[in-house]
Amino acid sequence: AQKVTQAQTEISVVEKEDVTLDCVYETRDTTYYLFWYKQPPSGELVFLIRRNSFDEQNEISGRYSWNFQKSTSSFNFTITASQVVDSAVYFCALSEPSGSGTYKYIFGTGTRLKVLA
Amino acid sequence: SAVISQKPSRDICQRGTSLTIQCQVDSQVTMMFWYRQQPGQSLTLIATANQGSEATYESGFVIDKFPISRPNLTFSTLTVSNMSPEDSSIYLCSTRGAVLPTMGEQFFGPGTRLTVL
Repeated sequence: AQKVTQAQTEISVVEKEDVTLDCVYETRDTTYYLFWYKQPPSGELVFLIRRNSFDEQNEISGRYSWNFQKSTSSFNFTITASQVVDSAVYFCALSEPSGSGTYKYIFGTGTRLKVLA
Repeated sequence: SAVISQKPSRDICQRGTSLTIQCQVDSQVTMMFWYRQQPGQSLTLIATANQGSEATYESGFVIDKFPISRPNLTFSTLTVSNMSPEDSSIYLCSTRGAVLPTMGEQFFGPGTRLTVL
């Protein structure tokens, strides 16, 4: 069965600390996509990254970096030198073919990150 | 990528009334999706709306409670009927990329924050 697990419900860090948000997924497909979204208190979902299953290269974008490891079915997200503005709920998601030409999208339960000044 | 707008952005409603949420996409899309996010929870898919056919509802959601319209390829509405406080949630409209490079990627509207008293 397809599943996305974000075991960390809530994390609190002090500003400038590094923090890693964990995401573990389950899928039987060899072709799939992984995503991270940020949901600030305002409620909108902000797309952060999309990674396909054939690309295991890690990615860095400013203070954000992602570590994709198929061997452990993990797609972890690290924020370096965290800032108060990083405070939000972060969702990991898995998208895979549903067999009818479309994609099924599964969200994790989210990790609430609080960055304290 | 698709740009999605929703109306209203938020509303406070009385128990027993109904609210219709509108979703407009800036391009023609085959499939539109409606999600619910209850307070502190992840996103749950309510239904998939295809133009010209009845919406497909996920387990636990029924048409009488959440009627959906999809009159054309850029617009959809979701009605939350006979509301109760348990319906207080953020309702999100969404589409998915159908071709590369955004195939499998989900795009979200800003959400409608509903509070039922």
